[in-house]
Amino acid sequence: NAGVTQTPKFQVLKTGQSMTLQCAQDMNHNSMYWYRQDPGMGLRLIYYSASEGTTDKGEVPNGYNVSRLNKREFSLRLESAAPSQTSVYFCASSEKGWGDGYTFGSGTRLTVV
Amino acid sequence: AQSVTQLGSHVSVSEGALVLLRCNYSSSVPPYLFWYVQYPNQGLQLLLKYTSAATLVKGINGFEAEFKKSETSFHLTKPSAHMSDAAEYFCAVSDPGTNAGKSTFGDGTTLTVKP
Repeated sequence: NAGVTQTPKFQVLKTGQSMTLQCAQDMNHNSMYWYRQDPGMGLRLIYYSASEGTTDKGEVPNGYNVSRLNKREFSLRLESAAPSQTSVYFCASSEKGWGDGYTFGSGTRLTVV
Repeated sequence: AQSVTQLGSHVSVSEGALVLLRCNYSSSVPPYLFWYVQYPNQGLQLLLKYTSAATLVKGINGFEAEFKKSETSFHLTKPSAHMSDAAEYFCAVSDPGTNAGKSTFGDGTTLTVKP
């Protein structure tokens, strides 16, 4: 079982460049999430999708956009990368949302120089 | 708004000793609570969850946690630490009925196990 697959695993960008982080799950989960992890700050929610066709802002959405392409895929786009977006990005999914807990991908380590 | 506080960013125990990782939550309604473990360079893995059934919850790898409403706590314990338990642990809270079951995470506690 693949679970949640994130690509790429590592990326270095120059300030101002754009890129899309890809996430796909094969568990038929309804809800999907993007978090960023920074040292000593836990995980902060960027965007989430309660179900196919819907997306909503989380705690730190500025500088990001998302697309719920279908039930399986949820991508995160950085239009103009900034050094403050250097972080580890995690995609997660949940079957129903409430009470399920998340299944996480292995993360994308992004460095913006 | 929901929030989680993990007391102690670093905890060190000897192999075979009791593990106690502390988590206090704030929520306007009875919450759902979770503990996750993260090994180096990996994603988070669900250890256990509380969803208003039994207050003592057992999880994987011998961990358990007790929900105490009066103390707004959900501390994680393991009777005997193993070297393989060394990792970072995150407590998370989710309000039932919150759109999409969004979770708020604590800042994490790094567990070190000494031989």
